[in-house]
Amino acid sequence: ETGVTQSPTHLIKTRGQQVTLRCSSQSGHNTVSWYQQALGQGPQFIFQYYREEENGRGNFPPRFSGLQFPNYSSELNVNALELDDSALYLCASSTPGTGEQFFGPGTRLTVL
Amino acid sequence: SQQGEEDPQALSIQEGENATMNCSYKTSINNLQWYRQNSGRGLVHLILIRSNEREKHSGRLRVTLDTSKKSSSLLITASRAADTASYFCATAGGSGGTSYGKLTFGQGTILTVHP
Repeated sequence: ETGVTQSPTHLIKTRGQQVTLRCSSQSGHNTVSWYQQALGQGPQFIFQYYREEENGRGNFPPRFSGLQFPNYSSELNVNALELDDSALYLCASSTPGTGEQFFGPGTRLTVL
Repeated sequence: SQQGEEDPQALSIQEGENATMNCSYKTSINNLQWYRQNSGRGLVHLILIRSNEREKHSGRLRVTLDTSKKSSSLLITASRAADTASYFCATAGGSGGTSYGKLTFGQGTILTVHP
């Protein structure tokens, strides 16, 4: 069974640029959630995708957008990067109704 | 925004001692989960307790849930140096639908276990 994978591991961007982060869900999982974790804080829910549709969104502006593909992998896109977007971005996959989410290792984004 | 608070923010103990971490939350929930995170990497699911359960065990872990007080505790017995990590509680919404899959995390407790 393959776990959740994320790419890239680290990324450095400058303010105003755009970034795309990628996530492959665990085999058999059709739901992907994205979280942002600032240094020293708990993760904050960005949004969730279920069967290629957005299925819930946290308190993040529209410049945070996502996609889910037919194989259930997912992308997180962030436009017009701001310094405060520097964080660890975590992807988690799950199946509806089970509650437990399986997290990938994260992508650490630094915005200069 | 964070769902609630975890207490203590940091805990330092000796190997073999027990570690207790507490979590409080604000809204009704479907379930509460505990996760572990090593060195700012991915989270590992430890245990899930549903809103109609009061206590659950898994190996050296014991979780309690008091929905009347909106609080939970995680007990790690006979701690080991390898238990050193950050521990987070996370709640899943009580209304089902789109809120069900959203986890709301606390700030975390940093546990250090000295050999």
